[in-house]
Amino acid sequence: NAGVTQTPKFQVLKTGQSMTLQCAQDMNHEYMSWYRQDPGMGLRLIHYSVGAGITDQGEVPNGYNVSRSTTEDFPLRLLSAAPSQTSVYFCASSREHEQYFGPGTRLTVT
Amino acid sequence: GNSVTQMEGPVTLSEEAFLTINCTYTATGYPSLFWYVQYPGEGLQLLLKATKADDKGSNKGFEATYRKETTSFHLEKGSVQVSDSAVYFCALRTGANSKLTFGKGITLSVRP
Repeated sequence: NAGVTQTPKFQVLKTGQSMTLQCAQDMNHEYMSWYRQDPGMGLRLIHYSVGAGITDQGEVPNGYNVSRSTTEDFPLRLLSAAPSQTSVYFCASSREHEQYFGPGTRLTVT
Repeated sequence: GNSVTQMEGPVTLSEEAFLTINCTYTATGYPSLFWYVQYPGEGLQLLLKATKADDKGSNKGFEATYRKETTSFHLEKGSVQVSDSAVYFCALRTGANSKLTFGKGITLSVRP
């Protein structure tokens, strides 16, 4: 099993550009989520999904969209990047109590 | 709502020192409690967990006991190593498909 994979590992965007952060898992987990990690803020939940076709907002959803067409994939879209979205983004999937995290995407918006 | 409070950091210790990192929580229902560790440049890994009161989670020499009476889940290790230098996050969730709530994390640096 590859676990949770994320691409790209690093990305630099200009303000106003759009992009999609990819996340995939091969563990057949129903629950998937996206977090952002900022210094002194811990991890904050952006969006989550309890299964294909079902998504919901977390603590900080503004500026981000998600969809879940398959169990395996949970992409995060930035429609118009802003400098405030500079962060490290982690995708996670869950079985029972334990969440498994991907390696992260470091995004810089200039 | 649910919340997790961790002690302020960073923490710097000498090798072989005793480690305690405090974590307290507020939750509705009966949460499961976790400690995650993040090594430099990596994602989060589950370090240990406890799913009911009085359970003790343990892994790699680290331990934490689920104390319902004090709503705490403090992380301890008897003798830290340089390789334990990382960021440690306390977290909880109240169901298999519920959100994971994190504390702010604390950076541990261990000197040789």
